[in-house]
Amino acid sequence: DAKTTQPPSMDCAEGRAANLPCNHSTISGNEYVYWYRQIHSQGPQYIIHGLKNNETNEMASLIITEDRKSSTLILPHATLRDTAVYYCIVRPDSGNTGKLIFGQGTTLQVKP
Amino acid sequence: NAGVTQTPKFQVLKTGQSMTLQCAQDMNHEYMSWYRQDPGMGLRLIHYSVGAGITDQGEVPNGYNVSRSTTEDFPLRLLSAAPSQTSVYFCASRTRQGAEQYFGPGTRLTVT
Repeated sequence: DAKTTQPPSMDCAEGRAANLPCNHSTISGNEYVYWYRQIHSQGPQYIIHGLKNNETNEMASLIITEDRKSSTLILPHATLRDTAVYYCIVRPDSGNTGKLIFGQGTTLQVKP
Repeated sequence: NAGVTQTPKFQVLKTGQSMTLQCAQDMNHEYMSWYRQDPGMGLRLIHYSVGAGITDQGEVPNGYNVSRSTTEDFPLRLLSAAPSQTSVYFCASRTRQGAEQYFGPGTRLTVT
């Protein structure tokens, strides 16, 4: 599975958009980009995933570059409850075994 | 649905003791996994299962055994606890086609 690189930490003002980058330059054609987050001491929570098109759901938007070597997770109006560690994970979907390989993630601190 | 449940929430063991961490899900998910998370680190995959009777090793399987006799349950056994196994353990599940993996609340294990 391709590896990902994320900044270790970021700050964001409450009410502003939080843009979390992820590099996955060795991604393969059948690998999806997944984002999870982990709020302090809790189990990780799924946010969104995509292959090559931009995706949006009630939690966030995912922007994947045309060459698929990087992506950005956007939380449009960050709140204090969005303070968490955000993990970008690359994983193939076809015949996959459900494995998620977590890196270090980005610690997002939303400040009032 | 209760989702993914884990017991116990907390456990203290002495070196050399054995124990079983319990994980159950009531969503009829085929895939189940066990992860450990050490302080300040991301999650690391211990073992996973793609269905009843089928298990396989993840990144850090040494010192742990699993079995999957039913779809609902996926217990994790520590054979002879060591201080290096002090960690928070998370169980997760998902459907065969599902993108979202559901995590349990975790078990905090301390080995003295």
